[in-house]
Amino acid sequence: KAGVTQTPRYLIKTRGQQVTLSCSPISGHRSVSWYQQTPGQGLQFLFEYFSETQRNKGNFPGRFSGRQFSNSRSEMNVSTLELGDSALYLCASSSTGGSTEAFFGQGTRLTVV
Amino acid sequence: DQQVKQNSPSLSVQEGRISILNCDYTNSMFDYFLWYKKYPAEGPTFLISISSIKDKNEDGRFTVFLNKSAKHLSLHIVPSQPGDSAVYFCAAKGNSGNTPLVFGKGTRLSVIA
Repeated sequence: KAGVTQTPRYLIKTRGQQVTLSCSPISGHRSVSWYQQTPGQGLQFLFEYFSETQRNKGNFPGRFSGRQFSNSRSEMNVSTLELGDSALYLCASSSTGGSTEAFFGQGTRLTVV
Repeated sequence: DQQVKQNSPSLSVQEGRISILNCDYTNSMFDYFLWYKKYPAEGPTFLISISSIKDKNEDGRFTVFLNKSAKHLSLHIVPSQPGDSAVYFCAAKGNSGNTPLVFGKGTRLSVIA
């Protein structure tokens, strides 16, 4: 069974640009959550999608958005990039979302210069 | 407002000895707790979990203890091995089925041979 796949693995963008990250969950999983990891801040919850609907949202500005497709694949978009957006972005999938263990991808390392 | 706190950023332990990683939480609505392990350049992997109806869960060398009155949980690793060196994240979720996981900032464990 394939795991959670995130693309690209690494990305370098300039301030002001926008970026789209992709996540393919484990087959059969309908919930996809996104997290931002920065040094010393742990994993900060961005949002969760379940069956193409955003079900939960963390405390991030509107520049951070996402969507989920009918095949459960999810994309995350960050517009007007800031230096502080440099982080590891992790995607996690689970069968129902929330309560059970979530399986993480390897993440996308975004660097904003 | 950190709802899940791991107050020790790092911990060093001799190989063969016990590693104890601590986690405190503030939200009394949390009823399910998980530990994740993360190696550099990889996503977090699920280690062990515990429901609030239990006070202990054991899986091989890993045991998680939950003290609900103190809002405290701990992960014990016995015996510690060099391969256990990683960052350990404590996570919690609420008793509403669809709430997201809330993570602590992590504790970096170094097991010295």
